[in-house]
Amino acid sequence: NAGVTQTPKFQVLKTGQSMTLQCAQDMNHEYMSWYRQDPGMGLRLIHYSVGAGITDQGEVPNGYNVSRSTTEDFPLRLLSAAPSQTSVYFCASSSLAGDVGEQFFGPGTRLTVL
Amino acid sequence: SQQGEEDPQALSIQEGENATMNCSYKTSINNLQWYRQNSGRGLVHLILIRSNEREKHSGRLRVTLDTSKKSSSLLITASRAADTASYFCATDASNDMRFGAGTRLTVKP
Repeated sequence: NAGVTQTPKFQVLKTGQSMTLQCAQDMNHEYMSWYRQDPGMGLRLIHYSVGAGITDQGEVPNGYNVSRSTTEDFPLRLLSAAPSQTSVYFCASSSLAGDVGEQFFGPGTRLTVL
Repeated sequence: SQQGEEDPQALSIQEGENATMNCSYKTSINNLQWYRQNSGRGLVHLILIRSNEREKHSGRLRVTLDTSKKSSSLLITASRAADTASYFCATDASNDMRFGAGTRLTVKP
């Protein structure tokens, strides 16, 4: 099993550009989530999904869109990149049996917006 | 705002000593989880404790949860240099996961 995979590992954007961060998992997990981590801080939830076709906003959703067309994939779209979106982005997945279980994290994407 | 807050922000101990980290949170939760992050890498799950549990053990880890005080503690016994990392608590409140800012643990050999 590959677990949770994220692409790309590094990305540099100019202000106003758009891009999609890819996330995939092969564990048949219902729950998938996107976080951003700024220097010296914990993770902040951007969006999450409890199953295909279902998404919800987390703590910091502005400027980001998600979709969940399959169980395996959960892409994160930056609509119009801003320097404030410079961060490390982590995708995670877990089983869901009444509550969120152990989350498995991808290796992260380091995004710089100039 | 972040749900959990860890205390202390940083902790430095000698190998073999015990390390205790605390986490406080604000709302009702389904469970509380602890994660470890080595520098620049993804998080690794350590232990999960549900809201109806008070204490849980896993190897050298002991976690307590006090829902009346909205707080949890993580104890690492007989620490090793390899335990050097950042430790985060995370709370599940109806699928909305919130992380604290973390405790940076340094274990000196």
